[in-house]
Amino acid sequence: KAGVTQTPRYLIKTRGQQVTLSCSPISGHRSVSWYQQTPGQGLQFLFEYFSETQRNKGNFPGRFSGRQFSNSRSEMNVSTLELGDSALYLCASSPGTMNEKLFFGSGTQLSVL
Amino acid sequence: GENVEQHPSTLSVQEGDSAVIKCTYSDSASNYFPWYKQELGKGPQLIIDIRSNVGEKKDQRIAVTLNKTAKHFSLHITETQPEDSAVYFCAATAYSGAGSYQLTFGKGTKLSVIP
Repeated sequence: KAGVTQTPRYLIKTRGQQVTLSCSPISGHRSVSWYQQTPGQGLQFLFEYFSETQRNKGNFPGRFSGRQFSNSRSEMNVSTLELGDSALYLCASSPGTMNEKLFFGSGTQLSVL
Repeated sequence: GENVEQHPSTLSVQEGDSAVIKCTYSDSASNYFPWYKQELGKGPQLIIDIRSNVGEKKDQRIAVTLNKTAKHFSLHITETQPEDSAVYFCAATAYSGAGSYQLTFGKGTKLSVIP
């Protein structure tokens, strides 16, 4: 089985721009979660989708949004980028409904200049 | 919400020695505790997990123990090898309503195994 695929692997943007990141979960996994990883804050939960519905959202501003498609693929969008948005964005999928046994992708490294 | 504290933040051990990483959690309703290993340039990978109805679980050289009363759990790696060098994250899962379970991570421990 192919793992979780995230594209692109690297992104460089400037302040004020917006960005869309993509995640393809493992085949058959219906739950997709997004995390922001920074050296200082560790792994911070952004949101979780299950069957195209957002089930949970972390404590991030409304500039961060996401969606899930009928094939379970997911995208997250960050609008009006700020320098502090520079981070590794990780997507994870899980086989069940209880957010257990997450399988992570390698992430998208976003740099905001 | 849940808060997970992890110690130490860095740990260096000689090859062949044991390594122990400790975590505490705040929400007594948390019932699932996974450990993830993250190597450079990769996403975290699940290495072992334990449920709240179990006190200890072992898988070859790694083991996890859970003390529900004290709300802490630990990862034990025996006979460490250079390939064990990575960042390790503990996490705790609790029901957050509307059919959703939220996973909260500790801030990670960078383990270095010295040959």
